Amino acid sequence: NAGVTQTPKFQVLKTGQSMTLQCAQDMNHEYMSWYRQDPGMGLRLIHYSVGAGITDQGEVPNGYNVSRSTTEDFPLRLLSAAPSQTSVYFCASRNTVTTDTQYFGPGTRLTVL
Amino acid sequence: GNSVTQMEGPVTLSEEAFLTINCTYTATGYPSLFWYVQYPGEGLQLLLKATKADDKGSNKGFEATYRKETTSFHLEKGSVQVSDSAVYFCALKSSRGETSGSRLTFGEGTQLTVNP
Repeated sequence: NAGVTQTPKFQVLKTGQSMTLQCAQDMNHEYMSWYRQDPGMGLRLIHYSVGAGITDQGEVPNGYNVSRSTTEDFPLRLLSAAPSQTSVYFCASRNTVTTDTQYFGPGTRLTVL
Repeated sequence: GNSVTQMEGPVTLSEEAFLTINCTYTATGYPSLFWYVQYPGEGLQLLLKATKADDKGSNKGFEATYRKETTSFHLEKGSVQVSDSAVYFCALKSSRGETSGSRLTFGEGTQLTVNP
């Protein structure tokens, strides 16, 4: 199993550009989520999904879109990048919504100029 | 709402020193509690967990006890190694059954550096 994979590892954008951060898992997990990590703030939940076709907002959803067309993939889209979105983004998955153990991808470091 | 507060870092220790990283929480009901570790350049990994009061989670020499009376889950290790240098996150998951109650709430993280 590759676990949770994310691409790209690093990305630099200009303000106003759009892009998609990719996330995939090969563990047949129902629950997937996106976090951003900022210094002194821990991880904050952006969006999550409890299964294919179902998504919902987390704490900080503004400026981001997600979709879940398959169990394996959960891409995060930045519609119009802003400097405030400079962060490290982590995708995570767990077997079901009630399972305790969550698996994280290696992260994407995004800089918006 | 739920919240997790960790001791401020960074923490710098010499090899073989005793480690404590404090974590307190606010939550309704009976949450599950976790410690995650993030090594440089990597994602978070589950280090240990406890799902009910007085449970002790342990792994790789680290341990933490779920103390409901003090709403705490402090991380301890008797003798740290250079390889333990990482960022440590305390987290909780609500016991509520609905979807929104099953999200993880993280503390701000504590950077640990262990010098030889």
